Amino acid sequence: TQLLEQSPQFLSIQEGENLTVYCNSSSVFSSLQWYRQEPGEGPVLLVTVVTGGEVKKLKRLTFQFGDARKDSSLHITAAQPGDTGLYLCAGRPRYQLIWGAGTKLIIKP
Amino acid sequence: EAQVTQNPRYLITVTGKKLTVTCSQNMNHEYMSWYRQDPGLGLRQIYYSMNVEVTDKGDVPEGYKVSRKEKRNFPLILESPSPNQTSLYFCASSAGQGATSEAFFGQGTRLTVV
Repeated sequence: TQLLEQSPQFLSIQEGENLTVYCNSSSVFSSLQWYRQEPGEGPVLLVTVVTGGEVKKLKRLTFQFGDARKDSSLHITAAQPGDTGLYLCAGRPRYQLIWGAGTKLIIKP
Repeated sequence: EAQVTQNPRYLITVTGKKLTVTCSQNMNHEYMSWYRQDPGLGLRQIYYSMNVEVTDKGDVPEGYKVSRKEKRNFPLILESPSPNQTSLYFCASSAGQGATSEAFFGQGTRLTVV
């Protein structure tokens, strides 16, 4: 069974702080995606990374794909209350998406 | 507006009473799937469909049925619901299963079986 482990599972920090969420596996993925889910809604795609070592930025969010394409990280700079939500990583080893359990992030004003 | 529509949003039912959760997408996507989301377990795939009349089991298919008679619709059927099927359910669709394919999700159906 292929697993994607996310850490931490829960993170509560003050507005303005920086944070990093990790997504790790022993499997190699052709791509890795990060989704964000708000209460009462389905997940929404933030970014897809495909190439080992790839870095993508989305405003204050920085996503990195590991060189070996087995892991990824999401770094948020100067977190805002609007960043609050459940962050999910999803890897595609071949065709099916494998999902991490998610990181619940709360940014306090 | 491109969307995946699930109904109902909330459902409380009793053990053994058959129910159907509907899912419809307007993006002409070939691939559709059903997930359940439980605290600490993330999204687990129940069934998926790669095209009309083509369905296959995901990771947790026991107790569920699906059908894909039309491209846009992918209903989830619980023939005899049990309390362990209490969960948050999501339908998703995508254009394909390529490396960069984006999954579009419905708003979810919160099911409680008593």
